[in-house]
Amino acid sequence: IVMTQTPLSSPVALGQPASISCRSSQSLVHSNGNTYLSWLHQRPGQPPRLLLYKISNRFSGVPDRFSGSGAGTDFTLKISRVEPEDVGDYYCMQATQFPWTFGQGTKVEIK
Amino acid sequence: QVQLVESGGGVVQPGRSLRLSCAASGFTFSNYAIHWVRQAPGKGLEWVAVISFDGNKKYYADSLKGRFTISRDNSKSTLSLQMNSLRNEDTAVYYCARAGESLSIDFWGQGTLVTVSS
Repeated sequence: IVMTQTPLSSPVALGQPASISCRSSQSLVHSNGNTYLSWLHQRPGQPPRLLLYKISNRFSGVPDRFSGSGAGTDFTLKISRVEPEDVGDYYCMQATQFPWTFGQGTKVEIK
Repeated sequence: QVQLVESGGGVVQPGRSLRLSCAASGFTFSNYAIHWVRQAPGKGLEWVAVISFDGNKKYYADSLKGRFTISRDNSKSTLSLQMNSLRNEDTAVYYCARAGESLSIDFWGQGTLVTVSS
């Protein structure tokens, strides 16, 4: 399954919202009815960290300014108000079918 | 706290082999599947392999074509990745990462750099 993210780069002013789209080449609905789409954030020089799983479930400690939505093949990550620590690369990842695959990444930077 | 520490990276010539290790602590290792994910310099994330909690199931990226083997030792809370017939394009930071809830990947190590070069 090919995961395609847009945009590849997103300059955003502090306090403004940001949105990243992720599209899969086929439906991510598993035979059990769940959709295994996650979002991860990677700050420069750091390993990735999990933000959201199963489209919209926030991982422990993730601020509520991060939200996820979508279904089937189209998904969106939204940051309601960008803060300085939100800079870095964002990746969507599908785990519905092996091999698991990532989007190519979206770089969020402060304008 | 959950800790995953990779080791074994370095510079290796094309065609040679290398074995990576990952030492886990802070959680019951034998209860979790564990992944390897890699990232070439300046590039995105690429999923490599996963092994089930008991080691009985293993899945690999298609691109590896049988060159890599994932294994684990639950008695020592360690994960391994045996990499054979290495190619220049295998140059990357290799992360071990814990399988989380609902097929997520919730905790990542700091990674170990593998450089394949003559």
